[in-house]
Amino acid sequence: GNSVTQMEGPVTLSEEAFLTINCTYTATGYPSLFWYVQYPGEGLQLLLKATKADDKGSNKGFEATYRKETTSFHLEKGSVQVSDSAVYFCVYGSSNTGKLIFGQGTTLQVKP
Amino acid sequence: DTGVSQDPRHKITKRGQNVTFRCDPISEHNRLYWYRQTLGQGPEFLTYFQNEAQLEKSRLLSDRFSAERPKGSFSTLEIQRTEQGDSAMYLCASSLKGISTEAFFGQGTRLTVV
Repeated sequence: GNSVTQMEGPVTLSEEAFLTINCTYTATGYPSLFWYVQYPGEGLQLLLKATKADDKGSNKGFEATYRKETTSFHLEKGSVQVSDSAVYFCVYGSSNTGKLIFGQGTTLQVKP
Repeated sequence: DTGVSQDPRHKITKRGQNVTFRCDPISEHNRLYWYRQTLGQGPEFLTYFQNEAQLEKSRLLSDRFSAERPKGSFSTLEIQRTEQGDSAMYLCASSLKGISTEAFFGQGTRLTVV
């Protein structure tokens, strides 16, 4: 079946370091891909999305490109801040039903 | 609109008791989803509604679980004869039908079965 695999955490970085969180997926059809974020004590919220191959989603300095040839959707940010500390989920979305399949989540901790 | 709201936020129950959770979606959203999240894992899909029709249920959803969405507005998720393995965060999300529309999540109901 369809699934999402993302790199295990926790990831600990110093402020202003470069961030990459790897994500790969297996899918049938033409899914949309998302990154959701969960800040401490808050609910899940959408960080960025891409709806078709070669689309690049971006928000708050984060970027991810939908790569169909490598079935990947890696999350990157050039310079992380302490406020980026959170759990990040790579998510596959069914275009028909909107059903979401989540990766296991990667905890990011940014130290000043 | 204040977003997706879930009630209660926390529930502690004894094994074997029944529990019911409520979700109020964003008012114009016609799709509503239930997910379950255990510690250290990503949320897992349980079921979804389009308006009042329940269109898909996960194999994870045993016959002790039932969900309703009367009149296509709020939804309830009931767990009968709770077991310790039911302890988890139960998340509700809503969205508009359409390609790649964003799902908005509630804060969740944390269930502890003792």
